[in-house]
Amino acid sequence: SQQGEEDPQALSIQEGENATMNCSYKTSINNLQWYRQNSGRGLVHLILIRSNEREKHSGRLRVTLDTSKKSSSLLITASRAADTASYFCATGNDAGGTSYGKLTFGQGTILTVHP
Amino acid sequence: NAGVTQTPKFQVLKTGQSMTLQCAQDMNHEYMSWYRQDPGMGLRLIHYSVGAGITDQGEVPNGYNVSRSTTEDFPLRLLSAAPSQTSVYFCASSYGGPGLPLHFGNGTRLTVT
Repeated sequence: SQQGEEDPQALSIQEGENATMNCSYKTSINNLQWYRQNSGRGLVHLILIRSNEREKHSGRLRVTLDTSKKSSSLLITASRAADTASYFCATGNDAGGTSYGKLTFGQGTILTVHP
Repeated sequence: NAGVTQTPKFQVLKTGQSMTLQCAQDMNHEYMSWYRQDPGMGLRLIHYSVGAGITDQGEVPNGYNVSRSTTEDFPLRLLSAAPSQTSVYFCASSYGGPGLPLHFGNGTRLTVT
């Protein structure tokens, strides 16, 4: 079963616009991560936010986390054609022992940025 | 650094054949894992390892075997390929510890006919 559910499934915008993707999850988490996947390639880690954090920034990326609503959002500001990719949220549950590193991925949002 | 290297990039198998997907990392990562990616299903964890000699099952382990004899290598074996195993397979690694980011290979696209 999928822990993270992204919304929307697909997003199409013009260059320069902002893109917002949302992720909801079901169980308690230790951290939430966002990854990008370009067509035909592996996933690349973008940003990690821990359960005790509410907001984090990295360049043009802004991630928020609301643990009470079990949701997160990824905002990409001033988007570029090169941002065209699939974006996945992944949740980590620090249950201890051998659980570290295990991430549960959502189905992803396909972002298309038109030049 | 090469990072995480997966071979082959593409493979076609007939039902019942066996094969091994190779994964190697040169970052001295303790944690390695295999995911499969299917349309509409996201990524699902097949098997993972927290160090040499230690492996465990993920969400969808049936039909797959793994072993971890060295820190660097984590091969995934398909014992008797089935059309349901047609997928893109990703190997990923991390230093370990709660919540550390995964480093992914570029995937192996497998088709079983």
